[in-house]
Amino acid sequence: EDKVVQSPLSLVVHEGDTVTLNCSYEVTNFRSLLWYKQEKKAPTFLFMLTSSGIEKKSGRLSSILDKKELFSILNITATQTGDSAVYLCAVEAGGSQGNLIFGKGTKLSVKP
Amino acid sequence: DTGVSQDPRHKITKRGQNVTFRCDPISEHNRLYWYRQTLGQGPEFLTYFQNEAQLEKSRLLSDRFSAERPKGSFSTLEIQRTEQGDSAMYLCASSLSGIGQYFGPGTRLTVT
Repeated sequence: EDKVVQSPLSLVVHEGDTVTLNCSYEVTNFRSLLWYKQEKKAPTFLFMLTSSGIEKKSGRLSSILDKKELFSILNITATQTGDSAVYLCAVEAGGSQGNLIFGKGTKLSVKP
Repeated sequence: DTGVSQDPRHKITKRGQNVTFRCDPISEHNRLYWYRQTLGQGPEFLTYFQNEAQLEKSRLLSDRFSAERPKGSFSTLEIQRTEQGDSAMYLCASSLSGIGQYFGPGTRLTVT
């Protein structure tokens, strides 16, 4: 059965810290991996990764995929209180052309 | 606002009643997805359309659930004879040929 596992499930840091969120997957016919940020509303798209070793970067956030070891990391540098959210990892896989398989998310709390 | 929109944002209904939700995707997006999310979990895939064709349905989608996208634009999700276990956030997402998925604000359903 396809699955996506995120760790840690929750994390508390102070402003200015750097955090690394992990996502591992076991799926049939991997197509892409996506990261989302979810505050008290719908998930907001962050990154889509399809190739190993190519870092995607947006401001203080960056992400990379390792298709050999079947994982991805999301880094956030110089964290701010506004980074507090649940970060979701999702994988598009298998014969489907659409559905995403989500992990449970990592709840990040950034304290001032 | 050119993002994905959903209506209503909140719905409270009594067990046994039927409910219908609407999703308007980003205008040029040909793919539309429905997900369900419960507290502390990532979204779970329900069904997916490419244009007006419903191409995939999760086994989570019981016979009480039906979705349509009659003209390849907006979509509706109907739940018949609602049960308390149907209480969740129902999320709609759209994409252009599978490149990323952009989520709407969701409809929060409470079945009493």
